[in-house]
Amino acid sequence: KAGVTQTPRYLIKTRGQQVTLSCSPISGHRSVSWYQQTPGQGLQFLFEYFSETQRNKGNFPGRFSGRQFSNSRSEMNVSTLELGDSALYLCATSGLVTNEQFFGPGTRLTVL
Amino acid sequence: AQSVSQHNHHVILSEAASLELGCNYSYGGTVNLFWYVQYPGQHLQLLLKYFSGDPLVKGIKGFEAEFIKSKFSFNLRKPSVQWSDTAEYFCAVPNYGGSQGNLIFGKGTKLSVKP
Repeated sequence: KAGVTQTPRYLIKTRGQQVTLSCSPISGHRSVSWYQQTPGQGLQFLFEYFSETQRNKGNFPGRFSGRQFSNSRSEMNVSTLELGDSALYLCATSGLVTNEQFFGPGTRLTVL
Repeated sequence: AQSVSQHNHHVILSEAASLELGCNYSYGGTVNLFWYVQYPGQHLQLLLKYFSGDPLVKGIKGFEAEFIKSKFSFNLRKPSVQWSDTAEYFCAVPNYGGSQGNLIFGKGTKLSVKP
């Protein structure tokens, strides 16, 4: 069974730009969660999607948004990038066993 | 708000030493608990989990953790560490304050094992 895949793996953007990250879940997984990982703040929850609906949202500004497609693939978008958005963005998916999440390799975003 | 505390930021051990990493959580009800590991350059992997039953749970690579409800703790242990255990370890609980489907992580503990 293929694992969680995230694209792209690395991104370099400049302040003010926007970025879209993609996550493909493990086959059969319908829940997709996004996390931001930074050295200072650790792992912080961004949002969760289930069956194309946002089910949960963390404490991030509205510049961070996401969506989920009918095939459970998910994208997250960050608009008007700031230097502080530089981080590793992790996608995690879960299936029948709630809360047991499987993580992708992440997208490393650098904002210059 | 719910929280997870990991007391050690960085632990340095020699090979064959015993390991115990502390984790405390704040939720008082029925709880699921997880330990994840992130090896250098690799993605987060589930090390072990507690859902119910025997409070001593065994995970991969010889790791185990003990759930002590009275102490709100879920400490990770390994009797004899290897150089390959060098990684960052995260304790996590589901966000029961909101709805399920997202995890609250501790700040992580970096483990460095000297050969």
